[in-house]
This record gives sequence, structure tokens and C-alpha cells, in this order.
Amino acid sequence: DVKVTQSSRYLVKRTGEKVFLECVQDMDHENMFWYRQDPGLGLRLIYFSYDVKMKEKGDIPEGYSVSREKKERFSLILESASTNQTSMYLCASSSAWTGELYGYTFGSGTRLTVV
Amino acid sequence: DQQVKQNSPSLSVQEGRISILNCDYTNSMFDYFLWYKKYPAEGPTFLISISSIKDKNEDGRFTVFLNKSAKHLSLHIVPSQPGDSAVYFCAASVRNTGKLIFGQGTTLQVKP
Repeated sequence: DVKVTQSSRYLVKRTGEKVFLECVQDMDHENMFWYRQDPGLGLRLIYFSYDVKMKEKGDIPEGYSVSREKKERFSLILESASTNQTSMYLCASSSAWTGELYGYTFGSGTRLTVV
Repeated sequence: DQQVKQNSPSLSVQEGRISILNCDYTNSMFDYFLWYKKYPAEGPTFLISISSIKDKNEDGRFTVFLNKSAKHLSLHIVPSQPGDSAVYFCAASVRNTGKLIFGQGTTLQVKP
């Protein structure tokens, strides 16, 4: 069963902390994405990556950075956590060739609370 | 600027009846449209997609209709089942980028 695995289901961090959210996929997908989900706003794209060491800003990159050192792993970094970054974070991956047709495979999400 | 809009936050239907979820978009460069289903505490799961060159795609109880002139798509679920109760997201693929733009989601409740 193919998977996207996010390292933590729930996290509570303090304001100002540096936070790492990890995501690993086992499907040899080229593309990986980080979204956040907030009520009434749907899923908003933070960053994405088409290949190792490549990254592109999404719609709301401010306050975030990413790292993709290996094809299977895509990390989201909150440089200095703030309360407005409290959200559900979703990682996804897709094939470069069939992503539009079959969509993304999502992880189960990380519920981050910043206090 | 919301390029993909789901204007109904929620929908309630009776088991066995039809559920119709709607989605509007503004960008003519979208080449595929997709629907995802999300249960609480789980990631979204892919349901069905449609190419922009088609107007209908069917998979079992799920049918997606695309009206390009109106920039509108809809998901029909027939017959609706209690297990269909979830949040449904409409998404559009940006041509040649691999990116998906999502709507706000519609919460469907199917009552037994």
C-alpha cells in the first residue's frame, strides 16, 4: 500500500520556536507539496518541489521554508513559530506524468498548535 | 483571489437521494479538475477527475460534470450513503505545473 507518511499527528510548540515537519513518500514520486488547511479557506499551497534540491514558493510561503535533500523526503520548516501558524499541515506527492489525472496522495496531516 | 470556489459550506441530504456538490473557477488555463474527499483527522483522498476537454466522467456512484462556458463543475453522488459524509474539495490543475488549486470545501452530511 503506497504511502505518504507525516512524522507527527499532533504537535504543540511555543511561539518563537523553530519547528520541523517531516514528510516521507514511498512511491518514487517526483513532485511533493506542503499545504495548510484552515476552516473556510480550504487547502492553501505553501511550497512545492519538482525534484531533489528544487523548491518553488506556493501561495503563502511567508514564515516557512522547505528542504528536499532526498527524493522521498520533503521537510517544512517554520523558522520562528507564531500563533497564526496554528493549522493542519498536509503533505502530498504526485507523479510528474500522471499527477493531473490521478491527483495527489496525501499524508494524514499534522495538527500544529502554537501557544 | 480565489480561483476555485465552493460557495456552499455545507449540504445535508437523505440516504438514497442524490448529492450535488458545486464548484466554480475563474482560470481558463486549468486543464484537469479533481474531487477529493476528506474525513476528520485524515488526509484528503482522490475521488474522481475530469479533463478540460470532456464534459462528463463517471465512476460508479460518482459523476463529475464540467460546463466550460460557465466555468462550473459539479459532483453527483447517487445514491448517497451515510459513509459519504465528509468534506469534499474541488481542485483544479494548473497546466504544465503539476500544481493543484483547491476550493474551500463543502461538508456533506448524509442522514440515514
